[in-house]
Amino acid sequence: SQQGEEDPQALSIQEGENATMNCSYKTSINNLQWYRQNSGRGLVHLILIRSNEREKHSGRLRVTLDTSKKSSSLLITASRAADTASYFCATDVNYGQNFVFGPGTRLSALP
Amino acid sequence: DTEVTQTPKHLVMGMTNKKSLKCEQHMGHRAMYWYKQKAKKPPELMFVYSYEKLSINESVPSRFSPECPNSSLLNLHLHALQPEDSALYLCASSQDLGNAYEQYFGPGTRLTVT
Repeated sequence: SQQGEEDPQALSIQEGENATMNCSYKTSINNLQWYRQNSGRGLVHLILIRSNEREKHSGRLRVTLDTSKKSSSLLITASRAADTASYFCATDVNYGQNFVFGPGTRLSALP
Repeated sequence: DTEVTQTPKHLVMGMTNKKSLKCEQHMGHRAMYWYKQKAKKPPELMFVYSYEKLSINESVPSRFSPECPNSSLLNLHLHALQPEDSALYLCASSQDLGNAYEQYFGPGTRLTVT
């Protein structure tokens, strides 16, 4: 069963703008990860945030986690055309043995 | 070397063919994964190997047969596939099993079943 749900499904912004994507999940988690996938390619790991963390940064990426609301957000600041990709959150299943991907947000950063 | 390689990049096969997909990593990772991804959908887990033993089989039809010959290699043997099996097949590896570890993905094999 699907654990995470991203919102919005698709997002178009201009280069230089910030992009925010949200992920909601249903059951308690130990960790939540975000991945990026350029069209038809493999996924690239962006950030892992643990359940006892509230916020993590990596370059232009900021991830927050609210376990009380069972939600996470990914913020990309000052977007670039190269950020155009699909973004997936991944949440625990099988007692943390593996994780399941949400449906993803397709981001288009237009020049 | 943080690369996961997959061969072939593209594969077209008939429903009666037998073919294999290959995946290799040299990061010393002990967990390896096969995913299937349809267009505009997230990757769906098929199999997980941990320390060269099959750990998770997500109720995948027997026409897909995984094999882990050693800690660096992962194969997916295909036989009597259906057109609906056409998809991008992704291999991944991680240091160990579990959601505490990031997964490294290969570029995928684009499979078309005719």
